Amino acid sequence: EPEVTQTPSHQVTQMGQEVILRCVPISNHLYFYWYRQILGQKVEFLVSFYNNEISEKSEIFDDQFSVERPDGSNFTLKIRSTKLEDSAMYFCASLRDPTYNEQFFGPGTRLTVL
Amino acid sequence: GQNIDQPTEMTATEGAIVQINCTYQTSGFNGLFWYQQHAGEAPTFLSYNVLDGLEEKGRFSSFLSRSKGYSYLLLKELQMKDSASYLCAVRRTSGTYKYIFGTGTRLKVLA
Repeated sequence: EPEVTQTPSHQVTQMGQEVILRCVPISNHLYFYWYRQILGQKVEFLVSFYNNEISEKSEIFDDQFSVERPDGSNFTLKIRSTKLEDSAMYFCASLRDPTYNEQFFGPGTRLTVL
Repeated sequence: GQNIDQPTEMTATEGAIVQINCTYQTSGFNGLFWYQQHAGEAPTFLSYNVLDGLEEKGRFSSFLSRSKGYSYLLLKELQMKDSASYLCAVRRTSGTYKYIFGTGTRLKVLA
């Protein structure tokens, strides 16, 4: 069964460093998402991506964040200068199109900023 | 604005039935979704409602009333493995399809 994959599963970084989180969505899916979940809190929408561009972003998704789909398969989230409060699980998700109900989540990347 | 409310925690006994409620306020409503999330794992899709009424899927059922901004997830014949968080999420359209999640309800199933 097709699945969304994410790498790495864990990332530890120093405050101020750049991190890139990688995702491979399901190949025939058209809509891509990044979410963040701080430990013990709710899943928060960060950004949606469709037709090779950002379609919506939340107030969390400030200038420190960027997304790319560089080669038609990978979907990356970059945090330019990490802060302590960026420590969270980051989930990538993909949706084939809205007539399909299920949004598939990747297993997540746990980011720890020291 | 957008607001999704769920109880924080519920406890039930193995074999019992539990109902987890969700109320929401949003514009551009395009569906109500329920996900299960075990600790440290990704959410997994359980059910979807876009029209009023009940959707049944094995031991799980979900109900929607759009006029009341209300949904519930019904879990029957509870098993220990059902201990998890249950997330209510609303999909809305505003040029794109955006999912807004509630805080989740942590369900503990006791033997």
